[in-house]
Amino acid sequence: KQEVTQIPAALSVPEGENLVLNCSFTDSAIYNLQWFRQDPGKGLTSLLLIQSSQREQTSGRLNASLDKSSGRSTLYIAASQPGDSATYLCAVMDSNYQLIWGAGTKLIIKP
Amino acid sequence: KAGVTQTPRYLIKTRGQQVTLSCSPISGHRSVSWYQQTPGQGLQFLFEYFSETQRNKGNFPGRFSGRQFSNSRSEMNVSTLELGDSALYLCASSLQATNEKLFFGSGTQLSVL
Repeated sequence: KQEVTQIPAALSVPEGENLVLNCSFTDSAIYNLQWFRQDPGKGLTSLLLIQSSQREQTSGRLNASLDKSSGRSTLYIAASQPGDSATYLCAVMDSNYQLIWGAGTKLIIKP
Repeated sequence: KAGVTQTPRYLIKTRGQQVTLSCSPISGHRSVSWYQQTPGQGLQFLFEYFSETQRNKGNFPGRFSGRQFSNSRSEMNVSTLELGDSALYLCASSLQATNEKLFFGSGTQLSVL
């Protein structure tokens, strides 16, 4: 059974810092891995989608990597801003085409 | 281009009642998937519809059901509500399949009293 773990559960850093969020999964048989952000009272916004054959994806200040063999992904946020404050969720699409979600990392960027 | 629209935004029901939630996908999107989010269990996949057919189903009891119409709009129904069904229900749409980029609605917050 696929399990997704996100560490840390919460993170508070000063504005301008570069930071890394971690995601690990137990079964390497995945179709893709996705990172989302969730703002309070709102739905989820897709940030990056990495197909199983890819190693990383980049969008602006965000970079996500995928290492299937070790069951790990990292989301790197460069030059953090207060607007980056949100809960970041990692999800893997398993062999049954179902998204299995991590519990999220709550990120606070202090001005 | 309008986003994914979920109605209603908030809903309060009592145990034993049934409820229907609605999701209108982005125009041109044919895949709609549903998720339940609770503080205890986090996000869990409910089911996915494509071209009016349920293509995938998560591990939820039969009280949870859904359907999709010819215009790709989807509804989910929960019968005989239980307190544990209190959750944020999110739907997402994509062009063809759930292994593409997903676009989420703002969700329906269901409270069961």
